[in-house]
Amino acid sequence: DGGITQSPKYLFRKEGQNVTLSCEQNLNHDAMYWYRQDPGQGLRLIYYSQIVNDFQKGDIAEGYSVSREKKESFPLTVTSAQKNPTAFYLCASSVSGKTEAFFGQGTRLTVV
Amino acid sequence: EDQVTQSPEALRLQEGESSSLNCSYTVSGLRGLFWYRQDPGKGPEFLFTLYSAGEEKEKERLKATLTKKESFLHITAPKPEDSATYLCAVQAYGANNLFFGTGTRLTVIP
Repeated sequence: DGGITQSPKYLFRKEGQNVTLSCEQNLNHDAMYWYRQDPGQGLRLIYYSQIVNDFQKGDIAEGYSVSREKKESFPLTVTSAQKNPTAFYLCASSVSGKTEAFFGQGTRLTVV
Repeated sequence: EDQVTQSPEALRLQEGESSSLNCSYTVSGLRGLFWYRQDPGKGPEFLFTLYSAGEEKEKERLKATLTKKESFLHITAPKPEDSATYLCAVQAYGANNLFFGTGTRLTVIP
């Protein structure tokens, strides 16, 4: 079954901790993305990657970091520098940067 | 600066009552306009891509149209299972990602 798998579905973080959200795809897509969704706002781009070992900052990259060591995987780390990390995080992939993106089921991160 | 405005924010319809959702956009050279459906607590599900003014695409009770300034998502004879938030996004030439609107939350009442 081809698709994008995000884990965990729910994540709780204590203030001052770093956490890593997993995103894996078996669609053989080159491009991968991380978006953040907050109530009443559109999806906002955090980071994106078009090829392995390369990635670019999106509109709200501060306090986040990513890696792209394998084509299938694009993990997102939410660092303690992110002041308001509570949100719904969505990973997506596309054949290239020029086609429609397909999304995972999301990870809801809550700071406790 | 790219901008996407969706209206209305929320829409309640009786089952079978057809209507349209609007997506107005401003973008420096439109490469594509995308419609997604999102259920609560889930990731967006891809519906359509439109590339040029005058283009139309259909899927079951949904039909998407595109002009040079806006797109409409027409819902014909909706059913309760069509209840969801519908998201519109644009991609500009030279960009590598999508720019999203805030969505229209549709509720279809039996």
